[in-house]
Amino acid sequence: DAKTTQPPSMDCAEGRAANLPCNHSTISGNEYVYWYRQIHSQGPQYIIHGLKNNETNEMASLIITEDRKSSTLILPHATLRDTAVYYCIVRATGKLIFGQGTTLQVKP
Amino acid sequence: DTAVSQTPKYLVTQMGNDKSIKCEQNLGHDTMYWYKQDSKKFLKIMFSYNNKELIINETVPNRFSPKSPDKAHLNLHINSLELGDSAVYFCASSQGGAGANEKLFFGSGTQLSVL
Repeated sequence: DAKTTQPPSMDCAEGRAANLPCNHSTISGNEYVYWYRQIHSQGPQYIIHGLKNNETNEMASLIITEDRKSSTLILPHATLRDTAVYYCIVRATGKLIFGQGTTLQVKP
Repeated sequence: DTAVSQTPKYLVTQMGNDKSIKCEQNLGHDTMYWYKQDSKKFLKIMFSYNNKELIINETVPNRFSPKSPDKAHLNLHINSLELGDSAVYFCASSQGGAGANEKLFFGSGTQLSVL
């Protein structure tokens, strides 16, 4: 199963773009990259996923490198409500395994 | 309507008691899960059911017994509660499969405190 590596914490100024990196150098060709976030005391929330191409939805953009060994989640205009733990997950054998994630602190 | 609802939200009980947590999803999904989040905030999968059939059973003590009466419900029964069972338990559901079908929808969690 592919593993992911994320920085434990990051800060971002309110209104600026937040770029959250994830390394998944052992990803297999058919494995997707998923991003979830968990705001304090709430259940995790799906953000976005991708296989090879870059993806964008109303919440964020996902940039996957050509070799698929890393990706970046971009929150284009971070708000205080985006403060949360962000999980990068590579889907493996029918179960999503959550790592430690990146704690993003958005500051005014 | 809440997509994935679990009850109770808080559960405080004594060691040795037996308790249940209920989960229901109205999304029409085929697959449901139980996750446990401990005090260090690690989120670990415990069980997964697909159409009432157990498909994932991680290394969980057999004091934990999931039950799925139908594909919209997945309950978690815990016997002989121990201090180490204190955690937040999350129920989740997905359509199952890959890509978009693997999107998990989580409930708001049940905070279990064993005294």
